[in-house]
Amino acid sequence: KNEVEQSPQNLTAQEGEFITINCSYSVGISALHWLQQHPGGGIVSLFMLSSGKKKHGRLIATINIQEKHSSLHITASHPRDSAVYICAANNNDMRFGAGTRLTVKP
Amino acid sequence: DTAVSQTPKYLVTQMGNDKSIKCEQNLGHDTMYWYKQDSKKFLKIMFSYNNKELIINETVPNRFSPKSPDKAHLNLHINSLELGDSAVYFCASSQSWTGYNEQFFGPGTRLTVL
Repeated sequence: KNEVEQSPQNLTAQEGEFITINCSYSVGISALHWLQQHPGGGIVSLFMLSSGKKKHGRLIATINIQEKHSSLHITASHPRDSAVYICAANNNDMRFGAGTRLTVKP
Repeated sequence: DTAVSQTPKYLVTQMGNDKSIKCEQNLGHDTMYWYKQDSKKFLKIMFSYNNKELIINETVPNRFSPKSPDKAHLNLHINSLELGDSAVYFCASSQSWTGYNEQFFGPGTRLTVL
């Protein structure tokens, strides 16, 4: 079993829908990262968090340290949000989830 | 200005050859990494260097040898390439090696071994 599990693997949504991607991890962490990988292949860091909640535009990330669980939410989704979203648990080295492929249809 | 750059972007080569991928960061970061993304898009850490010193070396075949001439550069040399080495290799950097540091990724190098 992978140390970092994401769900769902694939997600298709209509433009405007609220989206949630979940991440559970079994290792100790200094930080939990959410990354976005666009169809072109580039990887961008969206959030890094060790407690509570962070918000950036339409994206919100939350973490529950006791339950070893994090969620990434996208409000008012848009086709340009279509990408693979990757969760990574970091305790001096990164352990990655398998990614969630999101497709937002107009 | 590109923060983390890698060259080449694409690399196609024959089995058995030796090749290198270069990585440079202009962020002034102390720590650099190499990651491998396989055909199933799963990312896995290979190496981590902090101030030119190796701090993480996952179970990677010793055909892979990282070299850090200075803290702004981390190159990856691969000897005797095998079909299974085909993947996308990402370089990244962070301010320091402790876990609570944002990582900045290069654009990736797609290696195809024929």
